[in-house]
Amino acid sequence: DAGVIQSPRHEVTEMGQEVTLRCKPISGHNSLFWYRQTMMRGLELLIYFNNNVPIDDSGMPEDRFSAKMPNASFSTLKIQPSEPRDSAVYFCASSFSGPRETQYFGPGTRLLVL
Amino acid sequence: AQSVTQLDSHVSVSEGTPVLLRCNYSSSYSPSLFWYVQHPNKGLQLLLKYTSAATLVKGINGFEAEFKKSETSFHLTKPSAHMSDAAEYFCVVSYGGSQGNLIFGKGTKLSVKP
Repeated sequence: DAGVIQSPRHEVTEMGQEVTLRCKPISGHNSLFWYRQTMMRGLELLIYFNNNVPIDDSGMPEDRFSAKMPNASFSTLKIQPSEPRDSAVYFCASSFSGPRETQYFGPGTRLLVL
Repeated sequence: AQSVTQLDSHVSVSEGTPVLLRCNYSSSYSPSLFWYVQHPNKGLQLLLKYTSAATLVKGINGFEAEFKKSETSFHLTKPSAHMSDAAEYFCVVSYGGSQGNLIFGKGTKLSVKP
């Protein structure tokens, strides 16, 4: 299996622009997680889907952030409009069934908002 | 509130000496406990997990951790450090079932000196 796939790997954009991050989970996994990692705040869970349904989005920072999972093999995290403080590494992870199972992480998307 | 505390932000050891990375958690329910490792510019990788079976858990690369309920601890150990062990290590606690509530520690950066 190719593992969790994220794209793009790097993104540089200007403040105010829309940013879309993409994730393809491991085939057969029914749980998907989006995380943000910064030096200041460490690793934070943003949102968690189970069977394509958002279960816990309490970590989503504000309305500028939105996440979708239209099917079992694809998810997006969108930031609109982006701000410099959104600069971080965004990780996607998937697991077979919920947060108590082993999560497999993608390589991350490094976002820089100028 | 549930929490997980990694007691050291940075640990430095010499190659060939033992490694001890400390983790304590708050205890309301029976948690699942994990240790993940993150090498530079990479995603997180599972080292080991505890899910209420044996209290001594063996993981990959010679790491192990012991669940001590009386001390609410889940410290990570390795008898002999290798240069390739230099990375950041995260202790993670999961409470509850499908509703999530995954809590990451702040991370411990392990340095290994030749």
